[in-house]
Amino acid sequence: LAKTTQPISMDSYEGQEVNITCSHNNIATNDYITWYQQFPSQGPRFIIQGYKTKVTNEVASLFIPADRKSSTLSLPRVSLSDTAVYYCLVGPGGFSGGYNKLIFGAGTRLAVHP
Amino acid sequence: GAGVSQTPSNKVTEKGKYVELRCDPISGHTALYWYRQSLGQGPEFLIYFQGTGAADDSGLPNDRFFAVRPEGSVSTLKIQRTERGDSAVYLCASSSDRLSSYNEQFFGPGTRLTVL
Repeated sequence: LAKTTQPISMDSYEGQEVNITCSHNNIATNDYITWYQQFPSQGPRFIIQGYKTKVTNEVASLFIPADRKSSTLSLPRVSLSDTAVYYCLVGPGGFSGGYNKLIFGAGTRLAVHP
Repeated sequence: GAGVSQTPSNKVTEKGKYVELRCDPISGHTALYWYRQSLGQGPEFLIYFQGTGAADDSGLPNDRFFAVRPEGSVSTLKIQRTERGDSAVYLCASSSDRLSSYNEQFFGPGTRLTVL
């Protein structure tokens, strides 16, 4: 499984756009990039998944360059409630059902300030 | 609908004791996972069930840890002869095996285990 590297922590202010970059130099051809969010005292929550180019949903956008060796999670106009740990994961994916044990790193602790 | 629930939310025990942690997955989810999360770290995979059977238990740290899912729904993680190093948050997750993202698992709030 490809290893990921992401910043340990980031700070931002309400209303700003936050971009968290993840490096995954050894990503395999069939690997997808998935991001999870975890609030204190809660389990992680799936945010977004992508394979290449750009994916957008109601929560975030995911930008993946052509070489797929990195990806950027973009959170538009963050609020205090976006303060959480964000995990970047790489592994087999796609909408095909089945099983995949998730391999988490330490994540990025995002603190949003008033 | 109801999400994944875990009981108890907190468990304090003494070194050497036996504990059981319970997970109620989302109704209809056939896949169930257990993870363990230490302070400041991401969750670490322990075991995966597909239906009633443990399809992958490669993450269980040793034979003091055991998990069951006898009817393919509720699961119990059992830890014998607890050690202080077992202190962590134990997370349960479930997922559907039908037309779902490989990587979308639904997590419960976890059980915080403290071994004194």
